[in-house]
Amino acid sequence: DAGVIQSPRHEVTEMGQEVTLRCKPISGHDYLFWYRQTMMRGLELLIYFNNNVPIDDSGMPEDRFSAKMPNASFSTLKIQPSEPRDSAVYFCASSYQGREQYFGPGTRLTVT
Amino acid sequence: GEDVEQSLFLSVREGDSSVINCTYTDSSSTYLYWYKQEPGAGLQLLTYIFSNMDMKQDQRLTVLLNKKDKHLSLRIADTQTGDSAIYFCAEKGHNAGNMLTFGGGTRLMVKP
Repeated sequence: DAGVIQSPRHEVTEMGQEVTLRCKPISGHDYLFWYRQTMMRGLELLIYFNNNVPIDDSGMPEDRFSAKMPNASFSTLKIQPSEPRDSAVYFCASSYQGREQYFGPGTRLTVT
Repeated sequence: GEDVEQSLFLSVREGDSSVINCTYTDSSSTYLYWYKQEPGAGLQLLTYIFSNMDMKQDQRLTVLLNKKDKHLSLRIADTQTGDSAIYFCAEKGHNAGNMLTFGGGTRLMVKP
């Protein structure tokens, strides 16, 4: 299996621009998680889906962040407009029936 | 909310054993996990233990769980330079849906 796939691996954008991060979970997994990692705050869960339905989005920082999962093999995390404080590494993870989570390689986002 | 604590840093010599410790507060924890993160990479699942077990061994890795004290440890035998990384402890509570609570990570440095 290819594992969890994320794109792009690196994104540099200017403040105010829209950013879209993409994730393909492991085939057959029914849970998908979006995390953000920073030095200051560590690893934070932003949102997670079960069978493409958002279950808990209490970690989403504010209305500038949105996430979708249109089908079982694809999810997006969008930031609009982006701000410098959004700079972080964003991870996607998936699991089967809520068991152990497998992480993607992450997207390093830099907002200037 | 629930909390998971780890020491920030551990330094060992190549060939020695490493012991990374973790404490948690959630008395309803069902599963506890150890992840490894190398620079620029995602979190790699190393091992996990069910809360009704007190020990699990997998090659050079030994996980010990003291449920009474809510203490989890990861022992790496014959530590190699390739084991240098950040190690995260995580727990899943019975009442947390399928969300994990992560510790802040322990940076393991292995000196040749």
